[in-house]
Amino acid sequence: NAGVTQTPKFQVLKTGQSMTLQCAQDMNHEYMSWYRQDPGMGLRLIHYSVGAGITDQGEVPNGYNVSRSTTEDFPLRLLSAAPSQTSVYFCATRRGILNTEAFFGQGTRLTVV
Amino acid sequence: KQEVTQIPAALSVPEGENLVLNCSFTDSAIYNLQWFRQDPGKGLTSLLLIQSSQREQTSGRLNASLDKSSGRSTLYIAASQPGDSATYLCAVFQGAQKLVFGQGTRLTINP
Repeated sequence: NAGVTQTPKFQVLKTGQSMTLQCAQDMNHEYMSWYRQDPGMGLRLIHYSVGAGITDQGEVPNGYNVSRSTTEDFPLRLLSAAPSQTSVYFCATRRGILNTEAFFGQGTRLTVV
Repeated sequence: KQEVTQIPAALSVPEGENLVLNCSFTDSAIYNLQWFRQDPGKGLTSLLLIQSSQREQTSGRLNASLDKSSGRSTLYIAASQPGDSATYLCAVFQGAQKLVFGQGTRLTINP
């Protein structure tokens, strides 16, 4: 099992460009989420999904879109990249809502210039 | 608003020592607490999950405790090794959808 796979690992964007960060999991987990990690800010929740077709906003959703058409995939879209979105992005999965362990991908390091 | 604090921010100890990392949280209404390690430039690796009804969990040389009433958790590492050097993060499950993380403790084990 690959677990949680994020692509790409690194990306440099120009301000105003759009892109999609991919997250795929092979653990058949219902719950998926996106976090960003910034120095001094820790990890913060961007968006999450409790199952295919269901998404909701987290703590810092502005500038990001998500969709969940399958159990396996949960892409994160940057609509118009800004330097403030320079960060490391992590995708996480859990089997269910309660009493289950969270598993993280290896991250995507994004730089917006 | 839930706040998670980890003290110390950094810790350096000689190889072989036993050590304790601390995590405190302000709202005791949590579902679970999870400890992770993060190596530089890497993702988060799950170490231990403590469910709200449990008081501790053990995995190998690691032991994590949870005291919800006082808002504290500790991660005990026995017989530390250089390979234990990493940043250790604790996170509490706040509600059903959100993990709230501490800032982490950067641990260095000196050979």
